[in-house]
Amino acid sequence: AQSVTQLDSQVPVFEEAPVELRCNYSSSVSVYLFWYVQYPNQGLQLLLKYLSGSTLVKGINGFEAEFNKSQTSFHLRKPSVHISDTAEYFCAVILNRDDKIIFGKGTRLHILP
Amino acid sequence: NAGVMQNPRHLVRRRGQEARLRCSPMKGHSHVYWYRQLPEEGLKFMVYLQKENIIDESGMPKERFSAEFPKEGPSILRIQQVVRGDSAAYFCASSPPNGGEEQFFGPGTRLTVL
Repeated sequence: AQSVTQLDSQVPVFEEAPVELRCNYSSSVSVYLFWYVQYPNQGLQLLLKYLSGSTLVKGINGFEAEFNKSQTSFHLRKPSVHISDTAEYFCAVILNRDDKIIFGKGTRLHILP
Repeated sequence: NAGVMQNPRHLVRRRGQEARLRCSPMKGHSHVYWYRQLPEEGLKFMVYLQKENIIDESGMPKERFSAEFPKEGPSILRIQQVVRGDSAAYFCASSPPNGGEEQFFGPGTRLTVL
C-alpha cells in the first residue's frame, strides 16, 4: 500500500531565508506526486505536481520540488520565504489517474519576522 | 468558471442530529471525491463518486455515513446521528470526465458537534 511521510510537523524559518519541507513516499509502483498548500481556514490549493519527465518541478509562488526515485523523496523548496507563505503544506500521491489522493500529515510553515 | 462549491461552510449540530454537506463540482466535472480532515491529522479519503455511481467507498465509516451524487444537483455527504468525533473539516474535490491527475478542492465544510 502507498503511504506518505512528512518528517516535520512544524518548520519555523526566518523571513527571506530558504526552506525545505521533506516528503518521502512508499510505493512499489510508479505514482504521481503533489504538493498542496492550505492557508488558514481555507481549502487546498495545488502548488505543483510531478507526473513524469524532468525531476525538477516548478510550481506557483516560487516553490519547486525535486523527485528522487532512488530515495523515494519529493522535497519542497523555496529559496526565500515571505510572511504570506505561512500555511500548512501537504505532500500527496496518487497511484493512477482518477484515483484517491493519499496525503501526508502536513507540515506547518511558520515564518518568523 | 466557478470553482468547487461547498455549503454550508460551517455547520453546528448537537449529538444525535443529522448533518448534510453539499458539494457542487466545477462546471463540466463529473467525478467527486470527499475527504475528511480531523484535528491534528492530515486529510483522509472517504469516497469517490461519479454521476449516480459510487466508485470507491473504502474510506467511509461503516455506519452512519453515506454519500450520493445524483444525475442532477450537488453531491451530498450525509452523517446520521452525529457524535463529537465527527467534528472535522470535510473537503470535496472534483475532476473532469476524461479523468485527470489533478483534483480541484472546495473550501470545505467545518462541522462542529456539540
